[in-house]
Amino acid sequence: QVQLAESGGGVVQPGGSLRLSCAASGFIFSNYGMHWVRQAPGKGLEWVAFIRYDGSNKYYADSVKGRFTISRDNSKNTLYLQMNSLGAEDTAVYYCAKDLKRYNSGCFDYWGQGTLVTVSS
Amino acid sequence: QSALTQPASVSGSPGQSITISCTGTSSDVGGYNYVSWYQQHPGKAPKLMIYEVSNRPSGVSNRFSGSKSGNTASLTISGLQAEDEADYYCSSYTSSTTVVFGGGTKVTVL
Repeated sequence: QVQLAESGGGVVQPGGSLRLSCAASGFIFSNYGMHWVRQAPGKGLEWVAFIRYDGSNKYYADSVKGRFTISRDNSKNTLYLQMNSLGAEDTAVYYCAKDLKRYNSGCFDYWGQGTLVTVSS
Repeated sequence: QSALTQPASVSGSPGQSITISCTGTSSDVGGYNYVSWYQQHPGKAPKLMIYEVSNRPSGVSNRFSGSKSGNTASLTISGLQAEDEADYYCSSYTSSTTVVFGGGTKVTVL
């Protein structure tokens, strides 16, 4: 069965950096696009970033563009999110999610359980 | 990219049908058939309920159905059950190659 397991969350000071990982199993990771989606405490879902199945295209929400970088290692079945210049507005549970297709269809058919990132001094 | 517009809350009695709307623009909901719906129970990850406007993933009850007219998509839950009480989010692919979510709708079973 498909499993997505995020890790790397924690408490970081404003202006700091953090790298999240998402270990995938149960499907052919290199055949599908992958996303990061976040949810601030008590708030709704916010799409963060997408990477195509082969890493050739990456797209970002305006709120994170220039600060966050999505990447993947298909040999390790792992998705990453490098987050720099973090601010309080980045405090959220971060989910990795599998796209239904190789390209960005905007449909997330499987989700991890999420990892909490707290930006606080 | 502005969020899609959903009602903040919808309620119904067991056995009734309810419909949640999701309004966007011609650059997202109206322009593509890549509209999805997700169910989220408190403290849990979202779960895909409907994809590509009206398709149900394997294992999702046929009490859930989706449709679209113009810039507005809809999720209908028929035969409402206590376990359907949750938050529901719509999402759409956009012309900017991004994805936009609705603000979420809290469904209450009376």
